[in-house]
Amino acid sequence: ILNVEQSPQSLHVQEGDSTNFTCSFPSSNFYALHWYRWETAKSPEALFVMTLNGDEKKKGRISATLNTKEGYSYLYIKGSQPEDSATYLCASWETSYDKVIFGPGTSLSVIP
Amino acid sequence: ETGVTQSPTHLIKTRGQQVTLRCSSQSGHNTVSWYQQALGQGPQFIFQYYREEENGRGNFPPRFSGLQFPNYSSELNVNALELDDSALYLCASSQVGAASTDTQYFGPGTRLTVL
Repeated sequence: ILNVEQSPQSLHVQEGDSTNFTCSFPSSNFYALHWYRWETAKSPEALFVMTLNGDEKKKGRISATLNTKEGYSYLYIKGSQPEDSATYLCASWETSYDKVIFGPGTSLSVIP
Repeated sequence: ETGVTQSPTHLIKTRGQQVTLRCSSQSGHNTVSWYQQALGQGPQFIFQYYREEENGRGNFPPRFSGLQFPNYSSELNVNALELDDSALYLCASSQVGAASTDTQYFGPGTRLTVL
């Protein structure tokens, strides 16, 4: 059974701090990993889709890495800003479409 | 904001009733996926539709059913509502029929409350 975990559950950082979160997923039958940012009262926004072991993706101050052999992905935010405050979700897809599992999310609050 | 819209925004039903939720996909997208998010949990995959056919299903009972129309908009129907069906229902559209590797664009969700 696929189980996706995220840590920490919540995080409070000062503006300007850099931070990172972890998404852990079973490495067997891995197909793709998605990262989303979900601000309150808005739709989840796709950040990255990652498929290959060793993938590194970057979007502005946010970057992510993927290790499919050990089953984890890191999301990094450099120089956090208040607008980065959101819940960050990861979702792991197995090779069959009916096996996509979201993690519970990491809630980030950036204090001005 | 994405071009994905959902209606209604909020809905209150009583146990045993039936409900239909609607989703309009982003222009050019032919795949729609539906998710249920209960309080304090990540979204759970209900099913996916690609070109009007169901193309993958999560662990939800048959009283959760769906449709996709020729314009690729979609409906989620839930029969015999239970209290545990109270949740935020999200739909997401993607372009090429492979939501596993393609970027998904989410709507704002429908908040369903079952009393």
